Amino acid sequence: GAVVSQHPSWVICKSGTSVKIECRSLDFQATTMFWYRQFPKQSLMLMATSNEGSKATYEQGVEKDKFLINHASLTLSTLTVTSAHPEDSSFYICSASRLAGVGGELFFGEGSRLTVL
Amino acid sequence: DAKTTQPPSMDCAEGRAANLPCNHSTISGNEYVYWYRQIHSQGPQYIIHGLKNNETNEMASLIITEDRKSSTLILPHATLRDTAVYYCIVRVVNDMRFGAGTRLTVKP
Repeated sequence: GAVVSQHPSWVICKSGTSVKIECRSLDFQATTMFWYRQFPKQSLMLMATSNEGSKATYEQGVEKDKFLINHASLTLSTLTVTSAHPEDSSFYICSASRLAGVGGELFFGEGSRLTVL
Repeated sequence: DAKTTQPPSMDCAEGRAANLPCNHSTISGNEYVYWYRQIHSQGPQYIIHGLKNNETNEMASLIITEDRKSSTLILPHATLRDTAVYYCIVRVVNDMRFGAGTRLTVKP
């Protein structure tokens, strides 16, 4: 089946630094990728929708200047957490759709666990 | 957008069928029902999806009521590895929004 890969799978950083997380669709082209955040014992929360070649669409309450999303190619989207703080510590998950529209599958990456000290 | 309601938790005996219900009473005609599961500290795994008809694959069966207001995911022979949080999602446009899900515990 289709595979979506995230890197790194975990990262520890100091408060105030920036961290970049990559999301790649390995065997298909994804015009749209999605970024989620998940806190312990909670469900996934959609942060933003990333479209190749255009600006990302952010959900209400998600700071676009703090969570920078770049979708430079049909197989790669990146999420950069800028000036990270301990409250940004979370499990970040990306997903990609192989088919446009509602009826296609959405494949998820393995997730990236961020810990900000 | 349509929302779903699932029981917060369920238990199932190993080897038995696990039937996970989902209510989506406000679903509209062009919205699909998707099921994903998430094992601890991993990304969600696709299970199955459907629009109107019942669907079956190697993992599970999806039964959708005729009025489409509810559905049931069936794992025919649950194993310990099926212990996970199961999410029923009604897909709106192109994105996918998760509810609280059902935590299924398969017991020996």
